[in-house]
Amino acid sequence: GENVEQHPSTLSVQEGDSAVIKCTYSDSASNYFPWYKQELGKRPQLIIDIRSNVGEKKDQRIAVTLNKTAKHFSLHITETQPEDSAVYFCAASKGYGQNFVFGPGTRLSVLP
Amino acid sequence: DVKVTQSSRYLVKRTGEKVFLECVQDMDHENMFWYRQDPGLGLRLIYFSYDVKMKEKGDIPEGYSVSREKKERFSLILESASTNQTSMYLCASSRQGGGNYGYTFGSGTRLTVV
Repeated sequence: GENVEQHPSTLSVQEGDSAVIKCTYSDSASNYFPWYKQELGKRPQLIIDIRSNVGEKKDQRIAVTLNKTAKHFSLHITETQPEDSAVYFCAASKGYGQNFVFGPGTRLSVLP
Repeated sequence: DVKVTQSSRYLVKRTGEKVFLECVQDMDHENMFWYRQDPGLGLRLIYFSYDVKMKEKGDIPEGYSVSREKKERFSLILESASTNQTSMYLCASSRQGGGNYGYTFGSGTRLTVV
């Protein structure tokens, strides 16, 4: 089955710096890759996603890149702010109603 | 505009008790999921359902069962609660077909088994 690894497990950056979180997946049939942000005590929320027919997607300060050949995808956050502090989860899915396999999460701390 | 509602935010139960965790969604989603979240282990799938009365085991189904009698409701049952089932339980739902859609999560139920 699918296996998703995520690195680093914790990440601290200074406010205004960039943060990058990387995930790898094992099943080449996976074709949908969402990212979730979970603030302390709250539910995970979808922040951005990418499908396998696209190499990069951007939404304001957040971008995701996908390398299908290497089977890895990354979340990039630029100009980090304290409210970006949270746990971020990547996931992979083979789509069409298939369940997601999540990475173990990355705790991002943005230091003022 | 809460779309996935979990009946309890916090629960404390005794070892051996039968525990019911309820999840209701109002988005007419076909898919519903139960995950447990533990530090360092991320989100692990317990059971999921693609349709009413349909259920499939996830990665860690042992000690759990589920029920989906209506499309909007997906219940997780701990037949005989044990201390190693102390965890945060998250319900999620998603649309099926015609592409891929992200999950919508409930707020979670923090279960403590004593």
